[in-house]
Amino acid sequence: DQQVKQNSPSLSVQEGRISILNCDYTNSMFDYFLWYKKYPAEGPTFLISISSIKDKNEDGRFTVFLNKSAKHLSLHIVPSQPGDSAVYFCAARDSGGGADGLTFGKGTHLIIQP
Amino acid sequence: EPEVTQTPSHQVTQMGQEVILRCVPISNHLYFYWYRQILGQKVEFLVSFYNNEISEKSEIFDDQFSVERPDGSNFTLKIRSTKLEDSAMYFCASEQDRSNQPQHFGDGTRLSIL
Repeated sequence: DQQVKQNSPSLSVQEGRISILNCDYTNSMFDYFLWYKKYPAEGPTFLISISSIKDKNEDGRFTVFLNKSAKHLSLHIVPSQPGDSAVYFCAARDSGGGADGLTFGKGTHLIIQP
Repeated sequence: EPEVTQTPSHQVTQMGQEVILRCVPISNHLYFYWYRQILGQKVEFLVSFYNNEISEKSEIFDDQFSVERPDGSNFTLKIRSTKLEDSAMYFCASEQDRSNQPQHFGDGTRLSIL
């Protein structure tokens, strides 16, 4: 039951260019979405979030876009830097329904090439 | 910056034994979580804890599992009668409140059942 899908297991981007990571969801009750970054042997680190009342949220080099009608969100990183190489997880929650736990995608391994 | 800490980083246990995984959440956070990630699979929600009781649990969190906040700082996950399939990374997370704040994760405990 893949309620949150990240269809690209990996993505390779040249340093300085834009990285675009995609995430699709099937549960229309999800109303809060997050992106986490994970290095090997570390836990997921929160990057940026967006609630369903918005369609865009920006924090420095990171921007998350939400398209509710398409049940799709994306994370844009610009410009991409070598330290951005990591696994990126999309996560979602049905906050309005009282759910506590996050539902995660399988992750996308972003590789920034010099 | 405050962080969630987990101990031990790696636990090796014989099948059938009991194991306790420990977490110290961020001090002013009110909601606490356990997640697990089996190798090659998604991060999966196990349980949430608020006001000294379980708030929500997933299907994975059966009678084999229990959680406790024995004092004002620690949050523990106990797994009784461990099975080979319990081998996974176990992540603790905490959240300040439920006003669409992100969950912050520890670096995890790698549990290996032999």
